[in-house]
Amino acid sequence: QVQLQESGPGLVKPSETLSLTCTVSGGSMSSYYWSWIRQPPGKGLEWIGYIYYSGSTKYNPSLKSRVTISVDTSKNQFSLRLTSVTAADTAVYYCARGPSSGEEFEHWGQGTLVTVSS
Amino acid sequence: QSALTQPPSASGSPGQSVTISCTGASSDVGGYNYVSWYQQHPGKAPKLMIYEVTKRPSGVPDRFSGSKSANTASLTVSGLQAEDEADYYCSSYAGTDYVFGTGTKVTVL
Repeated sequence: QVQLQESGPGLVKPSETLSLTCTVSGGSMSSYYWSWIRQPPGKGLEWIGYIYYSGSTKYNPSLKSRVTISVDTSKNQFSLRLTSVTAADTAVYYCARGPSSGEEFEHWGQGTLVTVSS
Repeated sequence: QSALTQPPSASGSPGQSVTISCTGASSDVGGYNYVSWYQQHPGKAPKLMIYEVTKRPSGVPDRFSGSKSANTASLTVSGLQAEDEADYYCSSYAGTDYVFGTGTKVTVL
């Protein structure tokens, strides 16, 4: 069973860059898409973007100018960079496998809370 | 893309059924048979319950079922059990990105 685990700083200062890594275990990254999804405290889910194992990406238009997702299949990891953060970027950030063939997100990490505050 | 609209809450007694709606537009829910549903318990990650409108992943009880009509998708939980109390989110492919619903809190009375 594939497992995903997010890691990275839990506190980021306003205007700085948020960086997270997702480590995949229990399976190969090959032939799959890998996504980042976030959830502000007490609110709903928001898709941030995905990367294919080969490196092609697609981002949420509302975040596109600030987001970069990259992959390192040799380490079974993919990463998120979000620049110029504000308090509105405070959220639990999830990594997930998907979208799959039915455009669903099959497997999720446990999530990591990132707080933007000085 | 705007979030899909779900009722904030729904409830039912054990053994009863509850249905949650998810309303979008022709550019998302109505345009594709790519609606999925996720269950989220407090402090936990979402779990896939339904995909492609009606399909259940292995291990999901058949008490959970999905449907769609025009721009509105629905999730029905039959034979409610205490462990079904959770937040539920719908999601739809929208042509170039993915949009989630506003979420529904299901309470088992």
